[in-house]
Amino acid sequence: AQTVTQSQPEMSVQEAETVTLSCTYDTSESDYYLFWYKQPPSRQMILVIRQEAYKQQNATENRFSVNFQKAAKSFSLKISDSQLGDAAMYFCAYKIPGNQFYFGTGTSLTVIP
Amino acid sequence: DAGVTQSPTHLIKTRGQQVTLRCSPKSGHDTVSWYQQALGQGPQFIFQYYEEEERQRGNFPDRFSGHQFPNYSSELNVNALLLGDSALYLCASSLLEGRNSPLHFGNGTRLTVT
Repeated sequence: AQTVTQSQPEMSVQEAETVTLSCTYDTSESDYYLFWYKQPPSRQMILVIRQEAYKQQNATENRFSVNFQKAAKSFSLKISDSQLGDAAMYFCAYKIPGNQFYFGTGTSLTVIP
Repeated sequence: DAGVTQSPTHLIKTRGQQVTLRCSPKSGHDTVSWYQQALGQGPQFIFQYYEEEERQRGNFPDRFSGHQFPNYSSELNVNALLLGDSALYLCASSLLEGRNSPLHFGNGTRLTVT
């Protein structure tokens, strides 16, 4: 069974500082994809960043980057220069090609001015 | 370019009633998936539709059914509503053949069962 675990229900960060959100997953597949989604109070899930498991290079999107450790089945999200607009629920997700997405339980990020 | 649209935004129903939720996918997308998100939880997969057929299904009872129309829009139907069906229902569209095609979500329908 595919499972995604986010062990930090809540995190906080000072504005302009850096924060790392943790995610681990369990799979026996070798070909899969990992995603981080953000869900602000508006409720819409927004894609933050994605990573192909076959790529060793960590994905980066502006202030967002991941630390993908395939052997450890770990996929953490680093947010640099945190902004007030980054405050939201963050969900880690996993999928294998042609299959459904599996989501973690989320981490609520608070950005302190 | 319109994204995923869902209607209605909010809905209040009584236990035992039936409800229909609607979704229009992002332009160019051919696959629609439905997710249930209970308060404080991550989205749980209900089912996925492609070419008007249910392609995959999560661990949800038969009370949950769906449909996809030729224009790729979709409906989620829930019969015999239970209090536990109260949740945010998210529709997401994607491309089936896109190996790492991300899900594009709508704003969801908040269903409250009393």
